[in-house]
Amino acid sequence: QSVLTQPPSVSGAPGQRVTISCTGSSSNIGAGFDVHWYQQLPGTAPKLLIYNNNNRPSGVPDRFSGSRSATSASLAITGLQAEDEADYYCQSYDSSLSGYVFGTGTQVTV
Amino acid sequence: EVQLVESGGGLVQPGGSLRLSCAASGFIFSSYSMNWVRQAPGKGLEWISYISSDRSMRYYADSVKGRFTISRDNGKNSLYLQMDSLRAEDTALYYCARAYCGGDCHYYYYGMDVWGQGTTVTVSS
Repeated sequence: QSVLTQPPSVSGAPGQRVTISCTGSSSNIGAGFDVHWYQQLPGTAPKLLIYNNNNRPSGVPDRFSGSRSATSASLAITGLQAEDEADYYCQSYDSSLSGYVFGTGTQVTV
Repeated sequence: EVQLVESGGGLVQPGGSLRLSCAASGFIFSSYSMNWVRQAPGKGLEWISYISSDRSMRYYADSVKGRFTISRDNGKNSLYLQMDSLRAEDTALYYCARAYCGGDCHYYYYGMDVWGQGTTVTVSS
């Protein structure tokens, strides 16, 4: 059972904005550890989407943005496109578990 | 091209062993820490192990501690995962992933920027 909780699914029409929450606790996000986000298209390996809370790797569209506050983080997707249909995961470090943790995952439907 | 290619997966009986390999290319392997991450069928991602670039630090998830061993050979640009005492719940797609941080970061702040395609491990009698 993951210590980072995400909504199982979110959906939106093409062109709309959706947000995915990642709720943690005082031993991970609340302790100041950075949050990273991954996109996993069906049948493929995860792809780094956002690193260190709000940074995009080269090649990732600026439609994707990340933020972090207190014990939670969010991924926003603006101008939703059909190709954004995928599973999205947050990831951080947890001091109680002494290791990395992933969120429960969110399926985005366009 | 930066690439990671896993191999070594297969069908193994409960209690058995398997050794996974991850071949790296297109980057200076010896400069990067590495991870193993797995994904059970239809489930989410689970981090299972980390090794620093110089092998001085190795960490494991509680679910595999004492049964799995991570190692690397920088001369061969390869990462390994020795899996012993395998259980049905270890059945998953196993990925190797390069540790990444946008600066000079402590281990706590790493994400994973390059992933292999995965190798499947099935534990069943």
